[in-house]
Amino acid sequence: DTEVTQTPKHLVMGMTNKKSLKCEQHMGHRAMYWYKQKAKKPPELMFVYSYEKLSINESVPSRFSPECPNSSLLNLHLHALQPEDSALYLCASSLGLAGNEQFFGPGTRLTVL
Amino acid sequence: GEDVEQSLFLSVREGDSSVINCTYTDSSSTYLYWYKQEPGAGLQLLTYIFSNMDMKQDQRLTVLLNKKDKHLSLRIADTQTGDSAIYFCAEKEHNQGGKLIFGQGTELSVKP
Repeated sequence: DTEVTQTPKHLVMGMTNKKSLKCEQHMGHRAMYWYKQKAKKPPELMFVYSYEKLSINESVPSRFSPECPNSSLLNLHLHALQPEDSALYLCASSLGLAGNEQFFGPGTRLTVL
Repeated sequence: GEDVEQSLFLSVREGDSSVINCTYTDSSSTYLYWYKQEPGAGLQLLTYIFSNMDMKQDQRLTVLLNKKDKHLSLRIADTQTGDSAIYFCAEKEHNQGGKLIFGQGTELSVKP
């Protein structure tokens, strides 16, 4: 298995909703990442986990809450989002933080109404 | 701070070669990457080069690195309509915890 999977593919939520994005990989990678991408812009790093511990938080608002329950899974919990949070949310993984290759999932397209 | 720059658009004819250019500012970069993103999809890692290499070839793709000028290029030989996508250059710096710095992306349009 050489891929990163993300669910759901699309998500529409209101500003008062609570939802979660899920990411999974079975490549034995120990570093996992959340990125946010606006249309035709580069991905912006949000969080990095290494060996299930939060390694980097790029000053992300607290309405985004990451969780790494085990080495294969990465969640992003969403609460009280704003319309400007609408974007493509990409998960990625690498063997370790020093790993050469960072592989991306297909993303979750999030729309906040 | 770190910066990676790319031109925004490139248009080529099918069968021609495409060359996408990228410049970066940080001399401590360890790895440099090329990712491809098709509409509505995630990023696909095309290739990467270690900073002590000058060139890397992989089938239709050739990466050239000029470390002195901090210039990276991706050449796609025999460009096909399926190569139409946005191409992102990215650098990874030493001791930055796996963080990638991306360029703005070059939108490649391949005309039949």
